[in-house]
Amino acid sequence: DQQVKQNSPSLSVQEGRISILNCDYTNSMFDYFLWYKKYPAEGPTFLISISSIKDKNEDGRFTVFLNKSAKHLSLHIVPSQPGDSAVYFCAARYPNAGNMLTFGGGTRLMVKP
Amino acid sequence: DAGVIQSPRHEVTEMGQEVTLRCKPISGHNSLFWYRQTMMRGLELLIYFNNNVPIDDSGMPEDRFSAKMPNASFSTLKIQPSEPRDSAVYFCASSLAGPAGRNTEAFFGQGTRLTVV
Repeated sequence: DQQVKQNSPSLSVQEGRISILNCDYTNSMFDYFLWYKKYPAEGPTFLISISSIKDKNEDGRFTVFLNKSAKHLSLHIVPSQPGDSAVYFCAARYPNAGNMLTFGGGTRLMVKP
Repeated sequence: DAGVIQSPRHEVTEMGQEVTLRCKPISGHNSLFWYRQTMMRGLELLIYFNNNVPIDDSGMPEDRFSAKMPNASFSTLKIQPSEPRDSAVYFCASSLAGPAGRNTEAFFGQGTRLTVV
């Protein structure tokens, strides 16, 4: 049973507009959430994270929102750029489990010029 | 730092052969992870080491899979015998897991694309 789900396999957005990527989880024990970005033929790279005690974390064009009651988080990219085109993975971490992560299936974002 | 280094980048092998994937984590990191990426299952954790000791291997699919970490700077993932359904991209990742405030996120290698024919 997938504990972290990204229900949209792909998303297409016009350059300059907002990209919103969504992620749902089932385990309320997760204490930390992360977003990774992956380009073809490369490994995933860390993008942004949020602790379960917060509801928002912002880093430049990237903002992650966490709604614990809904067990939902989202990544907002504003404004979107063609270089943002990649696969985005949502990940969640258990407390006291090192940095062992459970990943969602990924969402492929395509930003059109 | 060169980051997490995996070898080989690509491996093509025949069914039944033994395959060994290698990983050099980032120096100073104490946690190491092996992940597998497939179209069907996305990124799934196979095994997690902390201070060279396997902590969680519940993701290892079968006895054909084994992983070792003989020292802090080297790990291997072995498949013997390999099967076509093992074809996937295998990622190694490392991180520093410590007291609150001293954790780092996991850094991934570039992966090994394994094709078993």
